[in-house]
Amino acid sequence: ETVMTQSPATLSASPGQRATLSCRASQSVNTNLAWYQQKPGQAPRLLIYGASTRATGIPVRFTGSGSGTAFTLTISGLQSEDFAVYYCQQYNDWPPWTFGQGTKVEIK
Amino acid sequence: QVKLVESGGGVVQPGRSLRLSCTASGFTFSNYGIHWVRQAPGKGLEWVALIWYDGTNEHYADSAKGRFTVSRDNSKNTVYLQLSSLRAEDTAIYYCARWGITSGGLYYALDAWGQGTTVAVSS
Repeated sequence: ETVMTQSPATLSASPGQRATLSCRASQSVNTNLAWYQQKPGQAPRLLIYGASTRATGIPVRFTGSGSGTAFTLTISGLQSEDFAVYYCQQYNDWPPWTFGQGTKVEIK
Repeated sequence: QVKLVESGGGVVQPGRSLRLSCTASGFTFSNYGIHWVRQAPGKGLEWVALIWYDGTNEHYADSAKGRFTVSRDNSKNTVYLQLSSLRAEDTAIYYCARWGITSGGLYYALDAWGQGTTVAVSS
């Protein structure tokens, strides 16, 4: 099973700042990596797949990068609606499909 | 538009059973695999099960093997998750999600999610 580890657990930032979230896989997942955003009381929403491809309707301020075992989600110019929990998930080695434990982006 | 709606959640005693449903609209349901993912209160996302587009194959998390069964009825655009021998640790919001397919026919991420249905296991 591929274990996904996200850091930091919580990131405090101000609107307009850049946020950088990390995700590491216990073994290579190539670029079979997705990022999801979840706001309180809502279902997760796909942001990025293929490590760097934005899903339909996702703003360009969300950028995914990385391959193999190290991945980054960058949010350039945080907006109020971006404060949420972000999860990475690998779909290279399945079953199971595995998620990271999440990074909460909160307002500083 | 793509829509997934879960139902069937509720409060159930330990050891009892419950059947969840996930009804889809807005896309050709029989072309897509459907995942179940759960989220315990205040916790992260845990993958539970997948059923292939035609129902010929299923996969389960270790926590679900032998207790949960996923099935589908493509004539009703619905996937079911039968939960049996429920435990307190099964308490969670259960989401169904579509297994996305690229234009080249490659499976990728979970590209559409329902709003979830809540299961609470308590005596």
